[in-house]
Amino acid sequence: QVQLVQSGAEVKKPGASVKVSCKASGYTFTSYDINWVRQATGQGLEWMGWMNPNSGNTGYAQKFQGRVTMTRNTSISTAYMELSSLRSEDTAVYYCARVGAVAGISWFDPWGQGTLVTVSS
Amino acid sequence: SYVLTQPPSVSVAPGQTARITCGGNNIGSKSVHWYQQKPGQAPVLVVYDDSDRPSGIPERFSGSNSGNTATLTISRVEAGDEADYYCQVWDSSSDHPDVVFGGGTKLTVL
Repeated sequence: QVQLVQSGAEVKKPGASVKVSCKASGYTFTSYDINWVRQATGQGLEWMGWMNPNSGNTGYAQKFQGRVTMTRNTSISTAYMELSSLRSEDTAVYYCARVGAVAGISWFDPWGQGTLVTVSS
Repeated sequence: SYVLTQPPSVSVAPGQTARITCGGNNIGSKSVHWYQQKPGQAPVLVVYDDSDRPSGIPERFSGSNSGNTATLTISRVEAGDEADYYCQVWDSSSDHPDVVFGGGTKLTVL
């Protein structure tokens, strides 16, 4: 079955960077875009950006431009999201999600299990 | 930027019908997707492209979209449907397509 498995929880200090991984299985990794969404405790879903695993092309939400980098390693079917210059407001659960259609602009299904990133001094 | 507006909460008795709205400017011209999120879990797709259901999602879940409002309808509500629900669209109005989520609606089963 199609599955996304993310890396484990992270604790970082303000100003540091974090890199979260998302390993895909059950389908051809390069055929579907991967998106990243985060959720602060008790808050709603916030979209961060997308990456095309085939071309490596990316598109980031304006809020995260300059601070986020999405990459991939096709040999191990894994996508990465790196967020730099961390601040306390970046404490959240980070999700990767595959788009549901090859066209790219579509729904998200499935989602990874989430990775908690805590930013604290 | 495009804004999606959901009611913060909806309450319904078991066996009744819950309707969760998602308002946006001319949202009827966009494809709307809905997600269910239970505490401590990742979101799960329950309706896509306004009214289609993924495999494994009960027929009790349905969607519609017209004008300035999209609606997720849950018929014969069960205790297990208690969760947060989010609507989502892609906003392609600029040269930089963005994903937009509604603020979420907490469904309480009385």
